[in-house]
Amino acid sequence: KAGVTQTPRYLIKTRGQQVTLSCSPISGHRSVSWYQQTPGQGLQFLFEYFSETQRNKGNFPGRFSGRQFSNSRSEMNVSTLELGDSALYLCASSGMGGSYNEQFFGPGTRLTVL
Amino acid sequence: AQRVTQPEKLLSVFKGAPVELKCNYSYSGSPELFWYVQYSRQRLQLLLRHISRESIKGFTADLNKGETSFHLKKPFAQEEDSAMYYCALRGGSNQGGKLIFGQGTELSVKP
Repeated sequence: KAGVTQTPRYLIKTRGQQVTLSCSPISGHRSVSWYQQTPGQGLQFLFEYFSETQRNKGNFPGRFSGRQFSNSRSEMNVSTLELGDSALYLCASSGMGGSYNEQFFGPGTRLTVL
Repeated sequence: AQRVTQPEKLLSVFKGAPVELKCNYSYSGSPELFWYVQYSRQRLQLLLRHISRESIKGFTADLNKGETSFHLKKPFAQEEDSAMYYCALRGGSNQGGKLIFGQGTELSVKP
Protein backbone atom coordinates (compact mmCIF):
# COMPACT_ATOMS: atom_id res chain seq x y z
CA LYS A 1 0.00 0.00 0.00
CA ALA A 2 1.28 3.45 -0.86
CA GLY A 3 1.85 5.70 2.12
CA VAL A 4 0.47 9.14 2.82
CA THR A 5 1.66 11.64 0.25
CA GLN A 6 1.90 15.38 0.59
CA THR A 7 2.43 17.99 -2.09
CA PRO A 8 4.33 20.12 -2.52
CA ARG A 9 7.23 19.08 -0.34
CA TYR A 10 8.72 22.57 -0.16
CA LEU A 11 7.14 25.95 -0.57
CA ILE A 12 8.38 29.52 -0.26
CA LYS A 13 5.86 32.33 0.06
CA THR A 14 5.91 35.96 1.13
CA ARG A 15 3.91 37.60 3.88
CA GLY A 16 0.34 38.32 2.96
CA GLN A 17 0.06 35.57 0.37
CA GLN A 18 -2.04 32.49 0.74
CA VAL A 19 -1.05 28.87 0.32
CA THR A 20 -2.75 25.53 -0.26
CA LEU A 21 -1.23 22.24 0.80
CA SER A 22 -2.45 18.86 -0.29
CA CYS A 23 -2.57 15.47 1.41
CA SER A 24 -3.50 12.13 -0.13
CA PRO A 25 -4.26 9.51 2.52
CA ILE A 26 -3.61 5.80 2.37
CA SER A 27 -6.17 4.12 0.19
CA GLY A 28 -9.26 3.27 2.23
CA HIS A 29 -8.50 5.71 5.03
CA ARG A 30 -11.25 8.22 5.70
CA SER A 31 -9.72 10.39 8.38
CA VAL A 32 -7.09 13.02 7.69
CA SER A 33 -5.51 15.12 10.42
CA TRP A 34 -3.18 18.07 10.02
CA TYR A 35 -0.39 19.18 12.32
CA GLN A 36 1.99 22.10 12.41
CA GLN A 37 5.53 21.42 13.59
CA THR A 38 7.85 24.23 14.67
CA PRO A 39 11.02 24.22 16.80
CA GLY A 40 9.37 26.40 19.41
CA GLN A 41 5.88 24.91 19.69
CA GLY A 42 6.53 21.37 18.58
CA LEU A 43 3.74 19.36 16.98
CA GLN A 44 0.37 21.06 17.24
CA PHE A 45 -2.93 19.72 16.03
CA LEU A 46 -4.66 21.87 13.44
CA PHE A 47 -7.80 19.96 12.47
CA GLU A 48 -9.18 16.62 11.42
CA TYR A 49 -11.52 15.73 8.60
CA PHE A 50 -13.59 12.60 8.37
CA SER A 51 -15.93 11.83 5.50
CA GLU A 52 -15.67 15.41 4.23
CA THR A 53 -16.61 16.91 7.60
CA GLN A 54 -14.39 18.64 10.10
CA ARG A 55 -14.47 16.44 13.18
CA ASN A 56 -11.96 18.16 15.43
CA LYS A 57 -10.26 21.52 15.50
CA GLY A 58 -7.20 22.84 17.28
CA ASN A 59 -6.50 26.34 18.55
CA PHE A 60 -5.42 28.08 15.41
CA PRO A 61 -6.78 31.32 13.93
CA GLY A 62 -9.38 31.30 11.21
CA ARG A 63 -6.67 31.96 8.62
CA PHE A 64 -6.07 28.22 8.77
CA SER A 65 -8.76 26.21 7.06
CA GLY A 66 -9.15 22.88 5.41
CA ARG A 67 -11.42 20.64 3.48
CA GLN A 68 -11.74 17.06 2.43
CA PHE A 69 -12.97 15.67 -0.83
CA SER A 70 -15.10 12.63 -1.53
CA ASN A 71 -11.99 10.58 -2.33
CA SER A 72 -10.65 11.49 1.17
CA ARG A 73 -7.90 13.70 -0.18
CA SER A 74 -7.54 16.79 1.94
CA GLU A 75 -6.26 20.29 1.49
CA MET A 76 -5.38 22.92 4.00
CA ASN A 77 -5.24 26.60 3.25
CA VAL A 78 -3.49 29.39 5.06
CA SER A 79 -4.49 32.90 4.10
CA THR A 80 -2.64 36.15 4.77
CA LEU A 81 0.58 34.37 5.61
CA GLU A 82 2.67 35.57 8.52
CA LEU A 83 6.35 34.92 9.25
CA GLY A 84 5.30 32.74 12.16
CA ASP A 85 3.50 30.36 9.80
CA SER A 86 6.86 29.03 8.64
CA ALA A 87 6.76 25.41 9.69
CA LEU A 88 6.61 21.80 8.65
CA TYR A 89 3.01 20.82 8.02
CA LEU A 90 2.25 17.16 8.52
CA CYS A 91 -0.83 15.26 7.65
CA ALA A 92 -1.80 11.87 8.95
CA SER A 93 -4.45 9.44 7.85
CA SER A 94 -6.21 6.67 9.69
CA GLY A 95 -8.74 4.04 8.80
CA MET A 96 -11.88 2.83 10.39
CA GLY A 97 -10.79 -0.52 11.70
CA GLY A 98 -9.41 -1.30 15.13
CA SER A 99 -9.90 0.36 18.45
CA TYR A 100 -7.11 2.84 18.16
CA ASN A 101 -7.04 3.89 14.53
CA GLU A 102 -3.30 4.19 14.16
CA GLN A 103 -2.34 7.36 12.35
CA PHE A 104 0.10 7.17 9.48
CA PHE A 105 2.04 10.33 8.80
CA GLY A 106 3.16 11.85 5.56
CA PRO A 107 6.59 13.32 4.91
CA GLY A 108 5.37 16.88 5.43
CA THR A 109 5.39 20.12 3.49
CA ARG A 110 8.05 22.60 4.52
CA LEU A 111 6.59 26.10 4.26
CA THR A 112 8.88 29.12 4.46
CA VAL A 113 7.34 32.57 4.70
CA LEU A 114 9.61 35.47 3.81
CA ALA B 1 -6.26 21.27 29.96
CA GLN B 2 -4.64 18.48 28.03
CA ARG B 3 -0.89 18.61 28.15
CA VAL B 4 2.03 16.26 27.55
CA THR B 5 5.42 17.03 29.04
CA GLN B 6 8.70 15.46 28.07
CA PRO B 7 11.24 17.05 30.41
CA GLU B 8 14.36 16.03 28.51
CA LYS B 9 15.15 17.55 25.14
CA LEU B 10 18.19 15.34 24.70
CA LEU B 11 19.13 12.05 26.27
CA SER B 12 22.54 10.61 25.52
CA VAL B 13 23.52 7.09 26.56
CA PHE B 14 26.09 4.49 25.61
CA LYS B 15 25.22 1.34 23.73
CA GLY B 16 24.06 -1.36 26.11
CA ALA B 17 22.97 1.08 28.80
CA PRO B 18 19.35 1.24 29.99
CA VAL B 19 17.16 3.98 28.62
CA GLU B 20 14.18 5.76 30.11
CA LEU B 21 12.44 8.55 28.27
CA LYS B 22 10.08 10.39 30.55
CA CYS B 23 6.56 11.47 29.71
CA ASN B 24 4.04 13.07 32.03
CA TYR B 25 0.55 14.10 31.04
CA SER B 26 -2.28 16.23 32.27
CA TYR B 27 -5.79 15.08 31.49
CA SER B 28 -8.89 14.83 33.58
CA GLY B 29 -10.38 11.71 32.03
CA SER B 30 -8.99 8.41 30.83
CA PRO B 31 -6.54 9.18 28.06
CA GLU B 32 -4.96 7.00 25.49
CA LEU B 33 -1.19 7.31 25.42
CA PHE B 34 1.21 6.66 22.59
CA TRP B 35 4.87 6.84 21.77
CA TYR B 36 5.83 7.96 18.29
CA VAL B 37 9.34 7.79 16.87
CA GLN B 38 11.04 9.59 14.03
CA TYR B 39 14.30 8.16 12.75
CA SER B 40 16.62 10.34 10.72
CA ARG B 41 15.09 11.22 7.35
CA GLN B 42 12.05 9.05 8.01
CA ARG B 43 8.45 9.76 8.80
CA LEU B 44 6.91 9.98 12.18
CA GLN B 45 5.61 6.53 13.07
CA LEU B 46 3.84 4.84 15.91
CA LEU B 47 6.12 2.91 18.23
CA LEU B 48 3.66 1.66 20.81
CA ARG B 49 0.44 2.45 22.63
CA HIS B 50 -0.49 1.85 26.21
CA ILE B 51 -3.52 -0.30 25.54
CA SER B 52 -1.46 -2.90 23.69
CA ARG B 53 0.93 -3.52 26.58
CA GLU B 54 3.40 -4.92 24.09
CA SER B 55 7.12 -4.62 23.60
CA ILE B 56 8.26 -3.13 20.32
CA LYS B 57 11.95 -3.20 19.39
CA GLY B 58 12.64 -3.95 23.05
CA PHE B 59 10.79 -0.84 24.25
CA THR B 60 8.02 -0.95 26.80
CA ALA B 61 5.89 1.72 28.43
CA ASP B 62 3.52 1.44 31.34
CA LEU B 63 0.73 3.86 32.01
CA ASN B 64 0.83 5.02 35.63
CA LYS B 65 -2.41 6.84 36.27
CA GLY B 66 -1.43 7.76 39.81
CA GLU B 67 1.69 9.56 38.66
CA THR B 68 0.13 10.50 35.30
CA SER B 69 3.19 9.15 33.55
CA PHE B 70 3.92 6.99 30.53
CA HIS B 71 7.67 6.55 30.52
CA LEU B 72 9.36 4.65 27.70
CA LYS B 73 11.99 2.12 28.73
CA LYS B 74 14.51 -0.19 27.16
CA PRO B 75 16.96 -2.26 29.16
CA PHE B 76 19.81 -2.21 26.63
CA ALA B 77 20.04 0.65 24.14
CA GLN B 78 21.25 0.05 20.60
CA GLU B 79 22.78 2.56 18.21
CA GLU B 80 19.80 2.15 15.87
CA ASP B 81 17.54 3.47 18.63
CA SER B 82 18.93 6.96 18.06
CA ALA B 83 15.92 9.06 17.01
CA MET B 84 13.38 11.64 18.13
CA TYR B 85 10.74 10.23 20.44
CA TYR B 86 7.40 11.88 21.00
CA CYS B 87 4.87 11.03 23.64
CA ALA B 88 1.28 11.72 22.61
CA LEU B 89 -2.14 11.71 24.23
CA ARG B 90 -5.59 11.27 22.83
CA GLY B 91 -8.50 12.19 25.06
CA GLY B 92 -10.69 9.21 24.23
CA SER B 93 -12.00 7.68 21.04
CA ASN B 94 -14.37 10.60 20.49
CA GLN B 95 -11.32 12.74 19.84
CA GLY B 96 -10.74 10.94 16.57
CA GLY B 97 -7.36 11.81 15.15
CA LYS B 98 -6.57 14.64 17.54
CA LEU B 99 -3.28 13.93 19.27
CA ILE B 100 -1.59 16.15 21.81
CA PHE B 101 2.18 15.76 21.50
CA GLY B 102 4.99 16.43 23.89
CA GLN B 103 7.97 18.46 22.73
CA GLY B 104 9.97 15.36 22.00
CA THR B 105 13.18 13.85 23.32
CA GLU B 106 16.15 13.23 21.11
CA LEU B 107 17.81 9.96 22.04
CA SER B 108 21.44 9.59 21.09
CA VAL B 109 23.03 6.19 21.61
CA LYS B 110 26.81 6.32 21.43
CA PRO B 111 28.95 3.31 20.49
